Amino acid sequence: KAGVTQTPRYLIKTRGQQVTLSCSPISGHRSVSWYQQTPGQGLQFLFEYFSETQRNKGNFPGRFSGRQFSNSRSEMNVSTLELGDSALYLCASSWSQRLNTGELFFGEGSRLTVL
Amino acid sequence: GNSVTQMEGPVTLSEEAFLTINCTYTATGYPSLFWYVQYPGEGLQLLLKATKADDKGSNKGFEATYRKETTSFHLEKGSVQVSDSAVYFCARNSAGGTSYGKLTFGQGTILTVHP
Repeated sequence: KAGVTQTPRYLIKTRGQQVTLSCSPISGHRSVSWYQQTPGQGLQFLFEYFSETQRNKGNFPGRFSGRQFSNSRSEMNVSTLELGDSALYLCASSWSQRLNTGELFFGEGSRLTVL
Repeated sequence: GNSVTQMEGPVTLSEEAFLTINCTYTATGYPSLFWYVQYPGEGLQLLLKATKADDKGSNKGFEATYRKETTSFHLEKGSVQVSDSAVYFCARNSAGGTSYGKLTFGQGTILTVHP
């Protein structure tokens, strides 16, 4: 069964621009989470969607937003890009509603470089 | 709040050496604990997990025991291989059943195994 697919894999933007990243979860998974990975801050939780509803949100500014579609595919958007937004953005899907005993299945990530 | 602390790396070992990567977590509730591994150029994948005190998670020769009294979840392997070279992340969820896709990760430990 296909894994979590993220597109694009690499992209370069300039400050002030906006970017949209896409994530297709494993078939049957209804929960999609997004993480930002940087050398300095490590892995930080952005937000999680389940059945098109955002259920959880990390401590990121409002420039970071996301949504989920009825087929569970998700997108995240970053507006007014800053140099510090350069990172690997990881999407993860899960079948578990509460992640008490479940696991996250990660995609390979979208590497964003902001110049 | 919830946090996870891992031993700082990088860790460099010779093949067949014994591996320990220390991990401690804040004692907030009764979380599930995880070890994830990230191979070069890939996303994270679950290595093992433990959901309650004294549970031992194991996979691919790696083991970790959930120690509530010391709030630890140290990763061990008796004989590492070159193919184990990767970044290892310890993580916890938010105890209480409201994780909703959010894991708190340690900063990661880079492991390099030489032939």
